[in-house]
Amino acid sequence: SAVISQKPSRDICQRGTSLTIQCQVDSQVTMMFWYRQQPGQSLTLIATANQGSEATYESGFVIDKFPISRPNLTFSTLTVSNMSPEDSSIYLCSVAMYNEQFFGPGTRLTVL
Amino acid sequence: DQQVKQNSPSLSVQEGRISILNCDYTNSMFDYFLWYKKYPAEGPTFLISISSIKDKNEDGRFTVFLNKSAKHLSLHIVPSQPGDSAVYFCAASASGDSSYKLIFGSGTRLLVRP
Repeated sequence: SAVISQKPSRDICQRGTSLTIQCQVDSQVTMMFWYRQQPGQSLTLIATANQGSEATYESGFVIDKFPISRPNLTFSTLTVSNMSPEDSSIYLCSVAMYNEQFFGPGTRLTVL
Repeated sequence: DQQVKQNSPSLSVQEGRISILNCDYTNSMFDYFLWYKKYPAEGPTFLISISSIKDKNEDGRFTVFLNKSAKHLSLHIVPSQPGDSAVYFCAASASGDSSYKLIFGSGTRLLVRP
């Protein structure tokens, strides 16, 4: 399995500001993913981040709102831009290994 | 349109009894299914999976059954233990989709009563 850490673990932010979430993996992986879990709902894939290429966004998510970086095979960042209260969610990164996905602990974001 | 559905938001069972969590899917391209367990303030933890070429996969107290014709899978936990209390998500993917994209259900909160 993979050990995945995320920073910050939680944050409370003001409307209109931006937050960058970091995801660090203890081994090199090709595919990393960013998910969102809104209160009481399921996990929804935001985008797939592969090293060396642009992130691929799912329907309903755009790069201007959720820019992603993937500078190397062990690290990625997700920025939540121009936040509104509707962005309050848990944001999780995951990696694909051995036909499974392993998840980080998540970042709990509250936007006031 | 929800492609993966967990119609029971919660389930309560007595310790020692069997827990059965259900999941339905609509996309016939899905051929790999996974169950994840999630505790509060933690990320989902992989529990067990099944490929569409099988109808059953067992790992200790956990067994997943797949009924392809009904597009239905279930997770059986026996015997249930209080430490099993968590939210359980089923997820599905299509092997033809090389991105390993997972589509998740909405989750079932399991409470195992001592």
